[in-house]
Amino acid sequence: KQEVTQIPAALSVPEGENLVLNCSFTDSAIYNLQWFRQDPGKGLTSLLLIQSSQREQTSGRLNASLDKSSGRSTLYIAASQPGDSATYLCAVRPSGTYKYIFGTGTRLKVLA
Amino acid sequence: DTGVSQNPRHKITKRGQNVTFRCDPISEHNRLYWYRQTLGQGPEFLTYFQNEAQLEKSRLLSDRFSAERPKGSFSTLEIQRTEQGDSAMYLCASSFTGGGYEQYFGPGTRLTVT
Repeated sequence: KQEVTQIPAALSVPEGENLVLNCSFTDSAIYNLQWFRQDPGKGLTSLLLIQSSQREQTSGRLNASLDKSSGRSTLYIAASQPGDSATYLCAVRPSGTYKYIFGTGTRLKVLA
Repeated sequence: DTGVSQNPRHKITKRGQNVTFRCDPISEHNRLYWYRQTLGQGPEFLTYFQNEAQLEKSRLLSDRFSAERPKGSFSTLEIQRTEQGDSAMYLCASSFTGGGYEQYFGPGTRLTVT
């Protein structure tokens, strides 16, 4: 059974710092992995999608990597800003299914 | 393209009542997902449609829950005989073939069962 874990559960950093969020999954048989951000009381916003054949994806100050064999993904945020404060969620789509399994998220606070 | 929309945004109902939520996906998206999210947790998969066909459904979903997607356009999620444990945010997402299955989420419907 696929399980997704995100560490740390919460993180507080000063503005301008580079940071890394971690996502681990127990079964390497995945189709893809997606990172989202969620603001309080809102829906999810897609950040990056990595297919199982890819090693990383970049968008602006965000870079996501995938190491399928070790069951790990990281989201790197460069030069963090207060507007980056949100909960960051990763989700994996196990091979052979259409569903996505989410982690419980990392709650990020960037202090001005 | 106005994104995924969901209605109503909030619903308060009494235990035992039936409720129905609607999701309108992005117009060219043929894939549609329903999720449920409780406080402090990640979204939990409920069901998946490809066009009008319901191809996957969570085993956690009791028979009080049903979803439809007539003509492969909007979708409805109905909960019969609501229970207090059904209180949650219900999220809809859509994607399209050729888009790598990247999901776009709606704002959600918050259900409170009293």
